[in-house]
Amino acid sequence: GESVGLHLPTLSVQEGDNSIINCAYSNSASDYFIWYKQESGKGPQFIIDIRSNMDKRQGQRVTVLLNKTVKHLSLQIAATQPGDSAVYFCAGAYSGGGADGLTFGKGTHLIIQP
Amino acid sequence: SQTIHQWPATLVQPVGSPLSLECTVEGTSNPNLYWYRQAAGRGLQLLFYSVGIGQISSEVPQNLSASRPQDRQFILSSKKLLLSDSGFYLCAWGRQGAFFGQGTRLTVV
Repeated sequence: GESVGLHLPTLSVQEGDNSIINCAYSNSASDYFIWYKQESGKGPQFIIDIRSNMDKRQGQRVTVLLNKTVKHLSLQIAATQPGDSAVYFCAGAYSGGGADGLTFGKGTHLIIQP
Repeated sequence: SQTIHQWPATLVQPVGSPLSLECTVEGTSNPNLYWYRQAAGRGLQLLFYSVGIGQISSEVPQNLSASRPQDRQFILSSKKLLLSDSGFYLCAWGRQGAFFGQGTRLTVV
């Protein structure tokens, strides 16, 4: 099976700086990845996704990079704001597989310093 | 647009009592539906998923069960709660359960 995990449990950044959160996956068949933001006491919020036919995808202030060679993806948040404080985690799946859901990492807690 | 509703938001139940958590989805038909549990400091654990009415797949043997009585309704149940059932329960929908509800914090006392 696949395992998806994050490199760091906590990341502290200054407000206004860029944040980079990393994730590694083990199943080379995985071809679909999602980044989530989860605030305390709330459900995970879908931020951005990427398919394996792409190596970069941009959203509003966020960019996801996918390196299939080393099975690594990252989430970059530009100009980090206090509202970005949350746990971020990645998830992956093989889109040609069954409906048995995504595999999730445990998460990185992003802390914004004023 | 699609929305997912999950309730209640918080629940405190005594050991041995029954449980019923409900999840409904609006704005889509025949969605795949999922129940996850998230323990503190740990990742999401898939409990059950359903690809259609009356179809339930169980990922982890445990004290819980799931039912899908209607197309857009997914229910998580237990006949007798254990202390170890405490946690944050999340319902999700989508082809692989990518979209989550707001969760139910269950505390068994």
